[in-house]
Amino acid sequence: ETGVTQTPRHLVMGMTNKKSLKCEQHLGHNAMYWYKQSAKKPLELMFVYSLEERVENNSVPSRFSPECPNSSHLFLHLHTLQPEDSALYLCASSQAARGGTEAFFGQGTRLTVV
Amino acid sequence: QKEVEQNSGPLSVPEGAIASLNCTYSDRGSQSFFWYRQYSGKSPELIMSIYSNGDKEDGRFTAQLNKASQYVSLLIRDSQPSDSATYLCAVNLKTGANNLFFGTGTRLTVIP
Repeated sequence: ETGVTQTPRHLVMGMTNKKSLKCEQHLGHNAMYWYKQSAKKPLELMFVYSLEERVENNSVPSRFSPECPNSSHLFLHLHTLQPEDSALYLCASSQAARGGTEAFFGQGTRLTVV
Repeated sequence: QKEVEQNSGPLSVPEGAIASLNCTYSDRGSQSFFWYRQYSGKSPELIMSIYSNGDKEDGRFTAQLNKASQYVSLLIRDSQPSDSATYLCAVNLKTGANNLFFGTGTRLTVIP
């Protein structure tokens, strides 16, 4: 198993659909993240689950809803998305520590909203 | 002011030359700094981490950190065509223990 696994790799969905992205980490880490990567923009931190506590970026719309049932699994539930939400969604994990440690990324889900 | 700033490039260097990538950050209390490499269509891959002032070397890569100037750089010696990628600077800001913020990345092309 690779360190951080994301499914699906590609997703096309309509604006009225509901879908979920899944992430699983096999590194024994205790923090997981969702990032959004759009063309010509920096990686945008969307949500952090650290030691099972959630921290979120207040600019993320409510149509994105994260779920972290345990330290190895992370979901991003999507509903009524907009075309501008089309992007690469990356999951990452790290070992939480004050000052931070390295984050390792999954392969990403390429999302297209039509 | 952006938290992490990089020159977007593109930066082109001939094969065998030294590539120099630069990054500045806004939060003086930042404690950890990382360089990631991202090939087109792929996810970011960690190549260097640095936590204290000075240089850190790993093979052909050297990271340099100057906290007083809020500056971190990456040098790639003996550049190879396979080094052609986008390089992302990431900084862990003091606002949260694990809030990792990224720059927009510098696109590097190594010309054979």
